[in-house]
Amino acid sequence: GQNIDQPTEMTATEGAIVQINCTYQTSGFNGLFWYQQHAGEAPTFLSYNVLDGLEEKGRFSSFLSRSKGYSYLLLKELQMKDSASYLCAVRDSNYQLIWGAGTKLIIKP
Amino acid sequence: GAVVSQHPSRVICKSGTSVKIECRSLDFQATTMFWYRQFPKQSLMLMATSNEGSKATYEQGVEKDKFLINHASLTLSTLTVTSAHPEDSSFYICSASPLSGGDTYEQYFGPGTRLTVT
Repeated sequence: GQNIDQPTEMTATEGAIVQINCTYQTSGFNGLFWYQQHAGEAPTFLSYNVLDGLEEKGRFSSFLSRSKGYSYLLLKELQMKDSASYLCAVRDSNYQLIWGAGTKLIIKP
Repeated sequence: GAVVSQHPSRVICKSGTSVKIECRSLDFQATTMFWYRQFPKQSLMLMATSNEGSKATYEQGVEKDKFLINHASLTLSTLTVTSAHPEDSSFYICSASPLSGGDTYEQYFGPGTRLTVT
């Protein structure tokens, strides 16, 4: 079966750095997405990786290793507004998005 | 760019009635739209994929006669929850892709519709 694993919840301090991991087992691979979802709102796109390596976009970076079925989202200089759920999703060989359950990130002052 | 709207944002209905939710791509043409359902503290669950002008493809376990999807134009898809029951209470989210089939780069999400069935 297809599976996406990410931690359920993480806590970090304002101003610090946090890394949210995602491992996947899917039928084929056509890209990995990270989305941010605030409570009661729809997800918003953060990043897309299809090749191995690090993609940096401001305070957020996303890394992919296809051979290991592994990705992480790195958030720097954490702000209180970064408190949200972070969803990892993989597009499989049928171009379907397989979603992880999300990681709830709690930022403390 | 790439804005998707949903209407209504919240709806409360009585058990047994039907509710229609609209999803519109405001500044692009969406050949493919997706409907998701999300229960509290759970991940997104894909309900169906709709392509403009053709029948929707439903995920396993989703009743197509209960969740009617119409994608009549390149900018509008509707989800009708027929004979709603309290267990249908959920957060319904649509998303749209500007390209069809396998060239989908990303999905743009609507703001979601909170359905409460009493």
